[in-house]
Amino acid sequence: GNSVTQMEGPVTLSEEAFLTINCTYTATGYPSLFWYVQYPGEGLQLLLKATKADDKGSNKGFEATYRKETTSFHLEKGSVQVSDSAVYFCALSDDNYGQNFVFGPGTRLSVLP
Amino acid sequence: AAGVIQSPRHLIKEKRETATLKCYPIPRHDTVYWYQQGPGQDPQFLISFYEKMQSDKGSIPDRFSAQQFSDYHSELNMSSLELGDSALYFCASSLALAGGGYNEQFFGPGTRLTVL
Repeated sequence: GNSVTQMEGPVTLSEEAFLTINCTYTATGYPSLFWYVQYPGEGLQLLLKATKADDKGSNKGFEATYRKETTSFHLEKGSVQVSDSAVYFCALSDDNYGQNFVFGPGTRLSVLP
Repeated sequence: AAGVIQSPRHLIKEKRETATLKCYPIPRHDTVYWYQQGPGQDPQFLISFYEKMQSDKGSIPDRFSAQQFSDYHSELNMSSLELGDSALYFCASSLALAGGGYNEQFFGPGTRLTVL
C-alpha cells in the first residue's frame, strides 16, 4: 500500500537557520504530494503541494520539489522563525479526486530565538 | 472566510458510552472527510462522503458510523467507546470539481475526545 516516511523529530533549530525535513513516499500510481502544518492546539493547514513530477510547491518561504526518481518531497526553508515552530506532516493522495490522504508520522520543529 | 466548523471542541466520555461528533463544511463544499489522530500520531483517514453518499472508507472501526446530511454537514457516531478511541478527530471538506480532478481539503480545528 501507499506510505509516507519522514525524518524523525524533534528538530530544534536557532532562528534564521536553514531547515530541511526529509520525506519519501511509496505509491502505486502518480500521487499528489503535500506538506501540512499543525500549530499547537490547531487543525491541519495546507502549507504547499505538488501534483506532478518536478513541480515545486512553495508558500511562506517553504519549498518542496516533487522528485519522482527519488520518490521524495523534502521540505526546505532558508531562514526559519520562531513562529514556524509546529508539527509538519508530509502526505500523499493517490487519487486525482483528492480522496483519502496518507500522512507521514509528522516532524516536530522547535525554533529557538 | 468561513472555515470548517466542528462541535464539540472537547468531549469527555466513559468507556462503553456513545459519542456524536459534528462537522459543518465550508459553504458550498459537498465532500466531507473524517480523520482520527491519536496522541503523537499522524492523522488516519476514517471515511468520506460526497453528496450524502459514502465515497471512501479507511480504518474506521465497526463501532463507528457516519453520515452526511442534506445540508452537507456530517456526523460521526461512536459507540461502545474504548480507551483507545481517545484522540483528536478532524473533519475536512472540499468541493468536487466538475469533470473530476483534485480540490484542496480544508481541515477543521478538530474535536478532542477523551475516554475515561
